[in-house]
Amino acid sequence: SAVISQKPSRDICQRGTSLTIQCQVDSQVTMMFWYRQQPGQSLTLIATANQGSEATYESGFVIDKFPISRPNLTFSTLTVSNMSPEDSSIYLCSVAGLAGGPGEQYFGPGTRLTVT
Amino acid sequence: QKEVEQNSGPLSVPEGAIASLNCTYSDRVSQSFFWYRQYSGKSPELIMSIYSNGDKEDGRFTAQLNKASQYVSLLIRDSQPSDSATYLCAVLILTGGGNKLTFGTGTQLKVEL
Repeated sequence: SAVISQKPSRDICQRGTSLTIQCQVDSQVTMMFWYRQQPGQSLTLIATANQGSEATYESGFVIDKFPISRPNLTFSTLTVSNMSPEDSSIYLCSVAGLAGGPGEQYFGPGTRLTVT
Repeated sequence: QKEVEQNSGPLSVPEGAIASLNCTYSDRVSQSFFWYRQYSGKSPELIMSIYSNGDKEDGRFTAQLNKASQYVSLLIRDSQPSDSATYLCAVLILTGGGNKLTFGTGTQLKVEL
């Protein structure tokens, strides 16, 4: 199975600043996604990272706040911009298109972000 | 109505018992269903996928799907304390923007000695 890594694993940031989270997979994948999981909550899809084109954002999430890059089939970044305490959350990348059934997604270890 | 609904629990079962976790979904055309296990402080781990009506068994885990009732369940036989975690039901929902994996809020399972 693929190894998915995220950097940083955690960070504490001041409000108004930005943080870029990296997601790296050790094999090529067709689909990469970014999720947010707020404390005690389930996962909410932020966007689908499309290789070579703009990300597809879910309702309530905008590119200015969460710019995403996906320069190739193994790497993606999510930036959380102009942070506020409400952005404190765990951010997870996931991948699909590996060996397995249709629609299966596998998650990276997550990035725990605290905004003060 | 939420797209994917689960009882939040906690569901407490004694060690060795069968744990039964349930999930209902609203989208009648969904074809793919998943169970993830999430330990506290960790990311979700895929444990079962099911695509057709009936039962699918993998070790101590059995997933059950009933598309007519829009219901999917996960049975854990011979529950162990290491099974204590939150179990997330996820449904692949077809949208205009592509397929989207939608998660329930999760059921917390506690297996007691």
